[in-house]
Amino acid sequence: GDSVTQMEGPVTLSEEAFLTINCTYTATGYPSLFWYVQYPGEGLQLLLKATKADDKGSNKGFEATYRKETTSFHLEKGSVQVSDSAVYFCALINQGGKLIFGQGTELSVKP
Amino acid sequence: SAVISQKPSRDICQRGTSLTIQCQVDSQVTMMFWYRQQPGQSLTLIATANQGSEATYESGFVIDKFPISRPNLTFSTLTVSNLSPEDSSIYLCSVEANYGYTFGSGTRLTVV
Repeated sequence: GDSVTQMEGPVTLSEEAFLTINCTYTATGYPSLFWYVQYPGEGLQLLLKATKADDKGSNKGFEATYRKETTSFHLEKGSVQVSDSAVYFCALINQGGKLIFGQGTELSVKP
Repeated sequence: SAVISQKPSRDICQRGTSLTIQCQVDSQVTMMFWYRQQPGQSLTLIATANQGSEATYESGFVIDKFPISRPNLTFSTLTVSNLSPEDSSIYLCSVEANYGYTFGSGTRLTVV
């Protein structure tokens, strides 16, 4: 079945470090891909999205490119801040219209 | 995009009781979705609620345990019945919006 796999956390970085959170997927056809963020004690917020191959989603300094050939949608940020500490979820909408999440990756940024 | 008001934000309940969670959307939507997020885990879809018909439940979730109401196009409730400590989770509602999904702020349930 359709699935999303993320790199395991927790990921701990120093402020201003480069961030990569890997995400790969298995799905039929061309799913839309998403990154959601969950700050401590809060609900999920959509961070960015991409709906077709080679699209790049971006928001708040975060970027992710839809790579059909490697079935990946890795999240990157050039310089993380303490305020970026959160759990990040990669997700897709499959052909049946269901939103399927990866297991989440916890990011902790230290000053 | 749609704005969802979800309540309560948290509750502590005795085992054997029930908790009803409400979600109000600021616009009409065809489908509303209910998710569970167990501690340290990802989100799992419980059911899809359509107005005017019975909810569609995912494998492992049953109506007797998670009854859902959808009386109109802007409102839905999820009840978690006969609570046990294993039901301690965050429950979230969601609607589709702008090629993505918008989520409520979640209800953190603790069963004691």
